[in-house]
Amino acid sequence: AQTVTQSQPEMSVQEAETVTLSCTYDTSESDYYLFWYKQPPSRQMILVIRQEAYKQQNATENRFSVNFQKAAKSFSLKISDSQLGDAAMYFCAYKQGGSEKLVFGKGTKLTVNP
Amino acid sequence: EPEVTQTPSHQVTQMGQEVILRCVPISNHLYFYWYRQILGQKVEFLVSFYNNEISEKSEIFDDQFSVERPDGSNFTLKIRSTKLEDSAMYFCASSEVAEWGKLFFGSGTQLSVL
Repeated sequence: AQTVTQSQPEMSVQEAETVTLSCTYDTSESDYYLFWYKQPPSRQMILVIRQEAYKQQNATENRFSVNFQKAAKSFSLKISDSQLGDAAMYFCAYKQGGSEKLVFGKGTKLTVNP
Repeated sequence: EPEVTQTPSHQVTQMGQEVILRCVPISNHLYFYWYRQILGQKVEFLVSFYNNEISEKSEIFDDQFSVERPDGSNFTLKIRSTKLEDSAMYFCASSEVAEWGKLFFGSGTQLSVL
């Protein structure tokens, strides 16, 4: 079974600084997708960024980018120029191709200090 | 911006009682999901629903659970005879295309079984 591990229960960053959240996953499949979801205090999870496993290029969305290391099964999220609104729980998730199920990590709580 | 709405936000029930959790997915979405998060644990997939039938379900989704789209707009999760261990936050989600993994989540219903 696929598993997703987030080894940092909590992280903090100063406003305007850069922070990297870690995620590793375990799978024997070659067709899969990886995601970072953000859950602010309002509780609605929002998709931040998405990566297809077959793509070598790392996904970017404005201040958010990933470092996808397929051989190492690592998928970290970098947030540049952190803003107070970035404070949230961040969940790493995995989806196997052909399946509709997302497998989530336990999450990392990010605090942004002014 | 369209969003997934869930009602109620918090439900308390007695063990053995039936509960129905309600969700209104985004109107043009075709895929619907229920996830749950027991306090301190990972967000777990329960079930996905497409074209008026279950398309995928987890081991958690046993005979005590059922889903329904009764009227073309609502999507419900029924737990027939609640147990203490059913206490969790239940998230509804919807998506346009299952393969993309871009889910839109509701804010959740906190179910407390006493």
